[in-house]
Parts: sequence; C-alpha cells; structure tokens
Amino acid sequence: DIQMTQSPSSVSASVGDRVTITCRASQDISTWLAWYQQKPGKAPKLLIYAASSLQSGVPSRFSGSGSGTDFTLTISSLQPEDFASYYCQQANSFPFTFGPGTKVDIK
Amino acid sequence: EVQLVESGGGLVQPGGSLRLSCAASGFTFSSYWMHWVRQAPGKGLVWVSRINRDGRSTSYADSVKGRFTISRDNAKNTLYLQMNSLRAEDTAVYYCARDLFADDSSGTNWFDPWGQGTLVTVSS
Repeated sequence: DIQMTQSPSSVSASVGDRVTITCRASQDISTWLAWYQQKPGKAPKLLIYAASSLQSGVPSRFSGSGSGTDFTLTISSLQPEDFASYYCQQANSFPFTFGPGTKVDIK
Repeated sequence: EVQLVESGGGLVQPGGSLRLSCAASGFTFSSYWMHWVRQAPGKGLVWVSRINRDGRSTSYADSVKGRFTISRDNAKNTLYLQMNSLRAEDTAVYYCARDLFADDSSGTNWFDPWGQGTLVTVSS
C-alpha cells in the first residue's frame, strides 16, 4: 500500500495568514493526488484534484502543487471559514489511501 | 442539486450484519463510479470499496474483503454496502461518494460529492 504522510499535524494561524501543508507519498504517484477539507461533524469536501486543479466552486486562495512524492496545499490568505482539517489522498493505486490529516485552528 | 443521502446505519452486535444504502439524485447515477469511505470516531478517512458504472467491477480494501459487498441499482439510483461479520473495528461513519467525472472508463478515484454519512456502531 502507498503510505501518505502529512506535516504538520496541526497548525495555529490567524485570519489573513498564509498556510502551507505538505503531503508525502511513500512512492511515486505522479499527480494522482487530491486534497479535501473537513469541518467537524461534516463530510469532506474536495478542494484540489490532480495535484493542482482547483475543484469548481472552491475559492482561488486554495492552491496545490507537486508531483511524484511531494505535494503542497497552500491557503494564501486564511479566512474564518477555512479553520478545518485537511486531508491528502492518493488515487494512483489500490487501496486509495489518505494522509492522517492536518488541523488548522485559530491562533 | 447533486445529492447523496446515506441510510441504514445503527447499532449491531459483533458478528452481525447491516446493509447501508445511498440514494443519489441530481445527476445521471449510472454514469459514475461510486465509492464508500469510512471514518472511525476521531480518526482519519479510509477508503472501503468502489464499484464501476454497471456494477460488474468492484474493489475492496483488504480490511473488509470477503465480509463487505458493494452493489448498485441504477434503476433506483441507489448504492449499497452489505456488511457481514461485523467487528468492533468496523465502527465508523460511512460515507458514500461519487467519482469526480462521469463516463470515465477506469474512474478517477477522486471523491466529489460526499453524502452526510451514516454511523455504524459495532458493540455488544
């Protein structure tokens, strides 16, 4: 199985901050990577697919980059509604695995 | 509006069975691969199973293979997950999720949208 790791596991930030979350795959997954946002008690929401493609309706302050084994999700200017957990997911091969998540909370 | 609504969760004893349903609306159900993903309380997301558009091709995580069966009824726009021989470690919120793009021959395996989830608790 492809193992996904994320760093940091949590980050405290203020509104307006730039936040960067890193995801690493245990083997080359090309650009078969997605990012999801999940708020407490809610279902996950797709933000980014194919490593850097912004899902329809997602604000442009979210961006993704990377290929191979190293990927990044960036929130350019954190908004109050962005405080949530973020998960990366590889879609390269079975089983489709998620990272452990990064919680973004208020400083 | 695209919508997925899960049902069928509840409390079941170890070794018991449960069937989850996911009612789809707002899109051409038969055009999309579909998935089940679960999340144990306070834990991360785990992919469980997927099914192709006509229901003839299925895949499972090793942890549920041989115990869970995914199926679909395209006439009823409904996805199912039959869960047998349930264990305590199967306790989780189960989400159904649609594949991102329609008419893809192999599925993209990115999940959007998701249902609201249904809680399955396995306990004596």
